[in-house]
Amino acid sequence: KNEVEQSPQNLTAQEGEFITINCSYSVGISALHWLQQHPGGGIVSLFMLSSGKKKHGRLIATINIQEKHSSLHITASHPRDSAVYICAVLDRDDKIIFGKGTRLHILP
Amino acid sequence: DAGITQSPRHKVTETGTPVTLRCHQTENHRYMYWYRQDPGHGLRLIHYSYGVKDTDKGEVSDGYSVSRSKTEDFLLTLESATSSQTSVYFCAIRRQVMNTEAFFGQGTRLTVV
Repeated sequence: KNEVEQSPQNLTAQEGEFITINCSYSVGISALHWLQQHPGGGIVSLFMLSSGKKKHGRLIATINIQEKHSSLHITASHPRDSAVYICAVLDRDDKIIFGKGTRLHILP
Repeated sequence: DAGITQSPRHKVTETGTPVTLRCHQTENHRYMYWYRQDPGHGLRLIHYSYGVKDTDKGEVSDGYSVSRSKTEDFLLTLESATSSQTSVYFCAIRRQVMNTEAFFGQGTRLTVV
């Protein structure tokens, strides 16, 4: 079983829809990252969380440490949000463990 | 952007040849990581380093070695490249302080023919 599981693996939605991507993990962590990767592109950090909630523009990330679960929300989605979104956790040994990613496609 | 540079960005090499990928940082971050990214697998840890001459294996380390003789450089070597090592390789860096963000290189696309 993967230590970091994301769902869904693929998501297609219409422009303007509210998007939720989920991440569950099974290891003890000190922090969780949400990352974005455009096709053929590098990896950009969107958020780093160790508790609670963070908001940046139309993006919101939440984490529940007790339930070992995090969500990434996108409000008023736009075609430029189309990318792969990756959840990654920083474990107690300072290793970064990645989920397999969620491929998001927003249709105009 | 954090000062992290991977080289080369693209490489095609023949089976059986040695290949070295370089990750260079200007941030003086202590932690450095090498990952490979493959369809259906996501990013998987190859090797990581907690400091100069302090390295350890990740989950997919077979066929790879690393060296870190200076804080700023983390080298990944494929001792004898195989087609299964065709992948995109990413380097990441992080400060030692707890709960600090990781920064990623742009990736190296390696094709072994």
